Amino acid sequence: AQSVTQLGSHVSVSEGALVLLRCNYSSSVPPYLFWYVQYPNQGLQLLLKYTSAATLVKGINGFEAEFKKSETSFHLTKPSAHMSDAAEYFCAVNPDSGYSTLTFGKGTMLLVSP
Amino acid sequence: KAGVTQTPRYLIKTRGQQVTLSCSPISGHRSVSWYQQTPGQGLQFLFEYFSETQRNKGNFPGRFSGRQFSNSRSEMNVSTLELGDSALYLCASSPGQALHEQFFGPGTRLTVL
Repeated sequence: AQSVTQLGSHVSVSEGALVLLRCNYSSSVPPYLFWYVQYPNQGLQLLLKYTSAATLVKGINGFEAEFKKSETSFHLTKPSAHMSDAAEYFCAVNPDSGYSTLTFGKGTMLLVSP
Repeated sequence: KAGVTQTPRYLIKTRGQQVTLSCSPISGHRSVSWYQQTPGQGLQFLFEYFSETQRNKGNFPGRFSGRQFSNSRSEMNVSTLELGDSALYLCASSPGQALHEQFFGPGTRLTVL
């Protein structure tokens, strides 16, 4: 079964610093990958998705992710962190392209300090 | 377009009771999925409904059930509540075809005492 692993349950950065959140997938076929963000007491909001059209995917709020098949990775980055980026981030994979359902990683809490 | 709505937002029940949660998807979306989010287990898929039929199911006991109506609105029911059922229950809708992202509602926070 396809799955994703997020390295680091918590990541701390200073405002203005590079944000790097790691996600590795396990799949024998090219997967469909997503990054979602969850702010406190809210649902999940899609940041970006990879569906094999391009390996570098740009999302909302200045985030982007690069699909690297050789490393089975889909890391999320942002050049300069803002205080408003503090939230929990989830990597997800569509385990079966015939359905819409997602398998999520455990999540990474991003902490941004002034 | 209005987003995914879930009612109620907060719910407190006692062990042994049953509960029904409601989800209204984005207009035109035919697929509704339900997820359970807990600090320990993270986000876990419960089931997906498409055109009133359960299309996919996660690994949860039979106490968890759902249904979808002809207008795509969905309900999930949990019977004989246990303390471990305390969680945030998230509903997500999508047009229904593969590769479409899912749009999430704000969730229902269920507390079982």
